[in-house]
Amino acid sequence: AQSVTQPDIHITVSEGASLELRCNYSYGATPYLFWYVQSPGQGLQLLLKYFSGDTLVQGIKGFEAEFKRSQSSFNLRKPSVHWSDAAEYFCAVGANDYKLSFGAGTTVTVRA
Amino acid sequence: SAVISQKPSRDICQRGTSLTIQCQVDSQVTMMFWYRQQPGQSLTLIATANQGSEATYESGFVIDKFPISRPNLTFSTLTVSNMSPEDSSIYLCSVGPQTGTSTGELFFGEGSRLTVL
Repeated sequence: AQSVTQPDIHITVSEGASLELRCNYSYGATPYLFWYVQSPGQGLQLLLKYFSGDTLVQGIKGFEAEFKRSQSSFNLRKPSVHWSDAAEYFCAVGANDYKLSFGAGTTVTVRA
Repeated sequence: SAVISQKPSRDICQRGTSLTIQCQVDSQVTMMFWYRQQPGQSLTLIATANQGSEATYESGFVIDKFPISRPNLTFSTLTVSNMSPEDSSIYLCSVGPQTGTSTGELFFGEGSRLTVL
């Protein structure tokens, strides 16, 4: 069975500082990996995805993630955080059946 | 990307009643799913909505409680039956790629926030 662990429940970061959100997954084959962002009262927006190929993936809003098979990780990074990045971030794993398993989420607070 | 409309966006319901949530997509899609997000929690897959046939439910979810329809490639409904306060959640429709494509991406509607009193 597939599963996702996001070890950090809540992260506070200063505006302009860098951000890294951790994600570890468990999956028997090559996974499809995703990061979604959910702003308060909103649905989920896809930030980026990894299916195969280059292990460093660029997404929207200046985010990137790196797939590390040896560590079963897919950490999300942003070099310089903006106040609008305050949201809930979900890592998800799936396969070609499009059924996703989500992590518990990480809440990001941005302080001025 | 597909544009997904969910109705209602939010509702307050009485215990014991049922509510049907609609999901409309602006293009034909291969896959449609329903997820539940309980307060302060992550998303859990309820079922896959299959066009023209019975939905496929995940462990812990049953058709009597969450009947689902999908009459065509752009529309699906989820009914939450005989509601109790424990059903208070956000219910999200998600869709796979448009027919004829294979992006691997899932797109989500904005969700329907149900509060059961």
